[in-house]
Amino acid sequence: GENVEQHPSTLSVQEGDSAVIKCTYSDSASNYFPWYKQELGKRPQLIIDIRSNVGEKKDQRIAVTLNKTAKHFSLHITETQPEDSAVYFCAASKGLYGNKLVFGAGTILRVKS
Amino acid sequence: EAGVAQSPRYKIIEKRQSVAFWCNPISGHATLYWYQQILGQGPKLLIQFQNNGVVDDSQLPKDRFSAERLKGVDSTLKIQPAKLEDSAVYLCASSLDGGGGPQETQYFGPGTRLLVL
Repeated sequence: GENVEQHPSTLSVQEGDSAVIKCTYSDSASNYFPWYKQELGKRPQLIIDIRSNVGEKKDQRIAVTLNKTAKHFSLHITETQPEDSAVYFCAASKGLYGNKLVFGAGTILRVKS
Repeated sequence: EAGVAQSPRYKIIEKRQSVAFWCNPISGHATLYWYQQILGQGPKLLIQFQNNGVVDDSQLPKDRFSAERLKGVDSTLKIQPAKLEDSAVYLCASSLDGGGGPQETQYFGPGTRLLVL
């Protein structure tokens, strides 16, 4: 079955710097890749997603890139702010009927002010 | 729109006891998911319903876990008997459909934090 690896497990950056989190997946049939942000004690919330028919997607300070050949995708956060501090999870799905999401282990992002 | 509702928010039980969690998905969402999130890990799918039918329960420990979604709306997840390793957050999510189209975004509830002593 699908396996998603995510790194780094923790990431500390200075406020205003950029943060990059990378994920690799094993199943070449996967074609839907969402990113979720989870603050301490709260529910995971979708922040951005990408489908395999595009290579990059951007939403204000957040962008996601996808390399289907290498089977990896990355989350980029620019101009980080203290409120960006949270755990970020990547996930992969085949997007077929059934739509099972397989999550990475998560990255703890700390933005230091 | 109202989000996914779950109850209780917290539960403490002793091992070998039973426990049940409830989830009410977003109105109109056909697909409902139960995830187990162990501390420090990503959510792991336990079971997925499409309306009131099971789509995927391959990772559900069926000797102790059961779930149902009567009438295709809200759902309950039960553990009987509980083990120490069941301590986790149980997240419910829903999506408009599970067909792989743009409506597949999953929205999560606040979760139920279970501690088994």
